[in-house]
Amino acid sequence: GAVVSQHPSRVICKSGTSVKIECRSLDFQATTMFWYRQFPKQSLMLMATSNEGSKATYEQGVEKDKFLINHASLTLSTLTVTSAHPEDSSFYICSARQDRGRFYNSPLHFGNGTRLTVT
Amino acid sequence: RKEVEQDPGPFNVPEGATVAFNCTYSNSASQSFFWYRQDCRKEPKLLMSVYSSGNEDGRFTAQLNRASQYISLLIRDSKLSDSATYLCVVNNQGAQKLVFGQGTRLTINP
Repeated sequence: GAVVSQHPSRVICKSGTSVKIECRSLDFQATTMFWYRQFPKQSLMLMATSNEGSKATYEQGVEKDKFLINHASLTLSTLTVTSAHPEDSSFYICSARQDRGRFYNSPLHFGNGTRLTVT
Repeated sequence: RKEVEQDPGPFNVPEGATVAFNCTYSNSASQSFFWYRQDCRKEPKLLMSVYSSGNEDGRFTAQLNRASQYISLLIRDSKLSDSATYLCVVNNQGAQKLVFGQGTRLTINP
């Protein structure tokens, strides 16, 4: 089955530093990847849609200059949390769909998530 | 009103019981529907897609009622390993992004 790899799985950083999270589709191509954030006991909230070769589309309320997204290839998207603050501490999850057929009918495949703690 | 609504629970049921969750969605143009399960501090994993005719996968049965805009998930003969949060997920035709419900937390007790 389709596999999405996310790295790192856990990171602790100091306030003011930047953290990069990688999301790779291992056995399929993904023109589009999605980045979610999940706070404790809450649902997944879409942050942005990452598009290969073009700018990411950010959801309302998500700062594009703070959460930098790069989708340089059909199998890799990165999310960089710049100048991280304690309130950015959360569970960040990427996901992707295979590039085929009826796009909207295909389920998402999720990375294993990155737990970010900013001290 | 949220696009996708679920009862957050928690549901505590004994092992072997049958449990059902419902989920409602507000966008009548929604085209595809899924149930995901999420274990504590883990990523969501696809449990099953939901089709108009209803579908079954082992102990799990999913139903879709377009007229009333709700989706259901039935778990029969529940196991301890079924303990998780179940996420109702909806997608609209032409839209790339999925909308997640808050999730329903289920605990199966021995």
